[in-house]
Amino acid sequence: DIQMTQSPSSLSASVGDRVTITCRASQSISSYVNWYQQKPGKAPKLLIYAASILQSGVPSRFSGSGSGTDFTLTISSLQVEDFVTYYCQQSYSTPLTFGGGTKVEIK
Amino acid sequence: QLQLQESGSGLVKPSQTLSLTCAVSGGSMRSDGYTWNWIRQPPGKGLEWIGHIDQSGSTQYNPSLKSRLTVSVDRSKNQFSLKLTSVTAADTAVYYCAGCFGVVTFCDSWGQGTLVAVSS
Repeated sequence: DIQMTQSPSSLSASVGDRVTITCRASQSISSYVNWYQQKPGKAPKLLIYAASILQSGVPSRFSGSGSGTDFTLTISSLQVEDFVTYYCQQSYSTPLTFGGGTKVEIK
Repeated sequence: QLQLQESGSGLVKPSQTLSLTCAVSGGSMRSDGYTWNWIRQPPGKGLEWIGHIDQSGSTQYNPSLKSRLTVSVDRSKNQFSLKLTSVTAADTAVYYCAGCFGVVTFCDSWGQGTLVAVSS
């Protein structure tokens, strides 16, 4: 199985801050990484697919980059509704696997 | 836009079988490029992919669950199902069904999730 190591597991930030979340794959996975946002009690929502493509309807303050083993999700200017949990996911091979999650908290 | 809705038993006794169904609306399960997935999340923990079935009926399962797992599809009802046998407390989780698209396999349609507790 491909392991996805996501960091940090949590972070504290303020409205308007720029934050970066990273995911490292245990082997090279090209650009087969997707990013999801999950609000409490809700299903995950797709933000970014294929490492850098913004899903339709997702605000442009979200962006993704990376290839091979190292990937990042960046939120350019945090809004109140962004203080939730984020997951990366690899789709290079089955079993599909997710990172452990990053909880973004208000400082 | 696809809509997915899980249904099934919310409480299962240890050693029994967990059964869930996902109804798909807003599109056909024969939609090119989609696989129909089950993903679960234990309370307070991360996401675990369980398995999927594609439009040809081929399945892929997480090896950690494969010996206990069956995913099937009923195209006449536009729904797919999960059966997990010999459950234990470790199978307690919110279970999501999801439609995932493409070679890159991103999951762009999710059910709301259903909590299944394993307890006597």
